[in-house]
Amino acid sequence: AQSVAQPEDQVNVAEGNPLTVKCTYSVSGNPYLFWYVQYPNRGLQFLLKYITGDNLVKGSYGFEAEFNKSQTSFHLKKPSALVSDSALYFCAVSLYNQGGKLIFGQGTELSVKP
Amino acid sequence: ETGVTQTPRHLVMGMTNKKSLKCEQHLGHNAMYWYKQSAKKPLELMFVYSLEERVENNSVPSRFSPECPNSSHLFLHLHTLQPEDSALYLCASSQEHGRTVDYNEQFFGPGTRLTVL
Repeated sequence: AQSVAQPEDQVNVAEGNPLTVKCTYSVSGNPYLFWYVQYPNRGLQFLLKYITGDNLVKGSYGFEAEFNKSQTSFHLKKPSALVSDSALYFCAVSLYNQGGKLIFGQGTELSVKP
Repeated sequence: ETGVTQTPRHLVMGMTNKKSLKCEQHLGHNAMYWYKQSAKKPLELMFVYSLEERVENNSVPSRFSPECPNSSHLFLHLHTLQPEDSALYLCASSQEHGRTVDYNEQFFGPGTRLTVL
């Protein structure tokens, strides 16, 4: 069965420090990988995606993610965290010819303190 | 209005009520989705409509009934719900070009917070 795991329910970071939110996946076939962010009382917002090509993907608000096929990971990173980055982050995967069906991880709550 | 809108934003209903959730997308997309978001659980895909045809029904109980009258509107009709159906219901849309729907990002509405008493 296809699945996505976000091993940390919560990540705490001091403002200005680098942040990493982890994601691993288990799928049969080549995955398309996504990161979304959800602010309180809001829907999910797209941050970035990996389809093919360069393993390092850059997205909105200074976020980037690295696709690692051997480790089946797609960790989200940012060099310098902002308090406004505090939110719920979701990793998701879809597969070729699956009609856009996204499989989500359970989410990671990111808290950035001043 | 821009993006994806959902109404109502909050809904409280009894188990014997009938209500409907509405979603409208202003992005010119041709695929729409319903998701259920419960606390501490991954988002669950409920239904997918592509070009106004239902292409996915993810083992959802029949007390949830979707309707897609056109590519801009999506409804979720609710009847005889259970307290465990209380959750945030999210609507999303994306643009499908053949198989590119697989990797086109989805745009989400703000959700309807549903409480079943």
